[in-house]
Amino acid sequence: DSGVTQTPKHLITATGQRVTLRCSPRSGDLSVYWYQQSLDQGLQFLIQYYNGEERAKGNILERFSAQQFPDLHSELNLSSLELGDSALYFCASSVGIGSEPGNTIYFGEGSWLTVV
Amino acid sequence: GESVGLHLPTLSVQEGDNSIINCAYSNSASDYFIWYKQESGKGPQFIIDIRSNMDKRQGQRVTVLLNKTVKHLSLQIAATQPGDSAVYFCAEIQTGANNLFFGTGTRLTVIP
Repeated sequence: DSGVTQTPKHLITATGQRVTLRCSPRSGDLSVYWYQQSLDQGLQFLIQYYNGEERAKGNILERFSAQQFPDLHSELNLSSLELGDSALYFCASSVGIGSEPGNTIYFGEGSWLTVV
Repeated sequence: GESVGLHLPTLSVQEGDNSIINCAYSNSASDYFIWYKQESGKGPQFIIDIRSNMDKRQGQRVTVLLNKTVKHLSLQIAATQPGDSAVYFCAEIQTGANNLFFGTGTRLTVIP
């Protein structure tokens, strides 16, 4: 158990709908990262927050947004869902940012999103 | 974009043998590398990391080697066990960057 908690674990929704994925980082971690993993694909970085502020942005679609709240949990909002958005969405957390010593990045178990 | 790649998509080894999983990276500015193990339906699990000022780092049954000259990273697993069957990803953080870039992964299958 990495200590990163993601909910829901599984979600099935229809095209055009909107969903929210939630992540609670490890205790003491200030950074939260979101990654998308499609079937048999690698992990694509979406976005990172550190202590409530956006710090890095990857291949995140405009239909997707995220935020990190004062209690450090994060939510990833996916709207106008398309079939191609079906994927595993991972949240990860770490103490700090970048490659600073001790900044090991731990992943949650993911949220399976199926768009039908 | 991603600058980390893998030489082989699949690797099969006999139980008890040693496994070597390779990874190439292209950005000389990368200064931190991590190996993750991902079992089916689960999240990536941290295995071992290494910084660019090191050539080798050992953990329990695992060793990571870094060759900065040829921008190559490898993960060695000693006495491979069936529980080691998984997809292994190398990932990097570039100097000044905040996030991990992942390679495409190598699927390791251990044959009993």
